[in-house]
Amino acid sequence: EAGVAQSPRYKIIEKRQSVAFWCNPISGHATLYWYQQILGQGPKLLIQFQNNGVVDDSQLPKDRFSAERLKGVDSTLKIQPAKLEDSAVYLCASSFAQVGNTGELFFGEGSRLTVL
Amino acid sequence: AQSVTQLGSHVSVSEGALVLLRCNYSSSVPPYLFWYVQYPNQGLQLLLKYTSAATLVKGINGFEAEFKKSETSFHLTKPSAHMSDAAEYFCAVIKGGSEKLVFGKGTKLTVNP
Repeated sequence: EAGVAQSPRYKIIEKRQSVAFWCNPISGHATLYWYQQILGQGPKLLIQFQNNGVVDDSQLPKDRFSAERLKGVDSTLKIQPAKLEDSAVYLCASSFAQVGNTGELFFGEGSRLTVL
Repeated sequence: AQSVTQLGSHVSVSEGALVLLRCNYSSSVPPYLFWYVQYPNQGLQLLLKYTSAATLVKGINGFEAEFKKSETSFHLTKPSAHMSDAAEYFCAVIKGGSEKLVFGKGTKLTVNP
């Protein structure tokens, strides 16, 4: 079974530029998450989708971050304009849960962003 | 507010020694608790989870954790460390009434030969 796919693995940009990350979850998984992991910290939830709908985006900085989930499958996370403090690993995860959160998430390898 | 606190950002043990990674939770309602492991340059992987069925939970790779309500703890243990256990370990919680999985800051485990 294929795992959660993410791209690109690494991205270096200058501040005020834009960047987009792509995630393809495990086939059949209804729920998709984007987490931000800053060096030395645990992952922080940015946004949670269940099928096409947003379940939780309370910690997404909406002035610069946006995310969408196309047809309930793939997802993109965009940052525009980027700030230095956005340097982090962006983790995508998926779960088979149709309702609620079982806590059993399958993570991709992450996309490491460096903002100069 | 921090929902889980991991004591010790770095733990170092010798190969064959006991591994003990500490996690305390803050919740008045019994939560769901998890341990995840992250190997270098990889995503997180679920080690084990507690969902109130049994207080001692066995996970993959010989790890286990015990839920102690009186101590609000969910420490991760392994009797004998292997070099391959070197990784970062995260305690996580889903609090009652929430659907959000919240992670601790992580503990990096080093295993010395």
